[in-house]
Amino acid sequence: DGGITQSPKYLFRKEGQNVTLSCEQNLNHDAMYWYRQDPGQGLRLIYYSQIVNDFQKGDIAEGYSVSREKKESFPLTVTSAQKNPTAFYLCASSTWDRAPNQPQHFGDGTRLSIL
Amino acid sequence: GIQVEQSPPDLILQEGANSTLRCNFSDSVNNLQWFHQNPWGQLINLFYIPSGTKQNGRLSATTVATERYSLLYISSSQTTDSGVYFCAVALQGGGSNYKLTFGKGTLLTVNP
Repeated sequence: DGGITQSPKYLFRKEGQNVTLSCEQNLNHDAMYWYRQDPGQGLRLIYYSQIVNDFQKGDIAEGYSVSREKKESFPLTVTSAQKNPTAFYLCASSTWDRAPNQPQHFGDGTRLSIL
Repeated sequence: GIQVEQSPPDLILQEGANSTLRCNFSDSVNNLQWFHQNPWGQLINLFYIPSGTKQNGRLSATTVATERYSLLYISSSQTTDSGVYFCAVALQGGGSNYKLTFGKGTLLTVNP
């Protein structure tokens, strides 16, 4: 089945440690996104990528890094510079073929906690 | 940036009741989506509706783009409808086309 796979579902980080969250899609979508959700809040955009080897900062990019080496993959690294990383992280993707804004489809998320 | 306000913030219903959720936004948009987040955190697409009206079973949505609001209707609610309903929009034009801005959501609880 086509979809977006995020792994792991749960992740624990020690102080000073970098961790990487995986996001893979087999929908042949051009654009991919990372969002952060805090308890009782909506989602906020961290980074997005419209094409391979290119990505843009979202509203809360500080303390995060991404790469887009393959169309189907968009991993997110939470660095030690992110002082409050405990949150629910959601990855999304959408098409982009000279068409107006297209709907985004989401993975099931990764819950990150500090040890 | 664009502002998205959802109302009500919380809603409690008895099974079988109908409800209307509202989303107001502060600028012209070319993407508006309604999502349902279930208790496990999964974000489920309900509607992609930058304008007009759509229906899917017991759910329907209407967006009046010129007046900058959207409504989500839930009829004959069921306990499985419980969760948080989010409205998200993206600005029209410019390089920010793809940046969805989310409202804070409406927490719906449907009691048996």
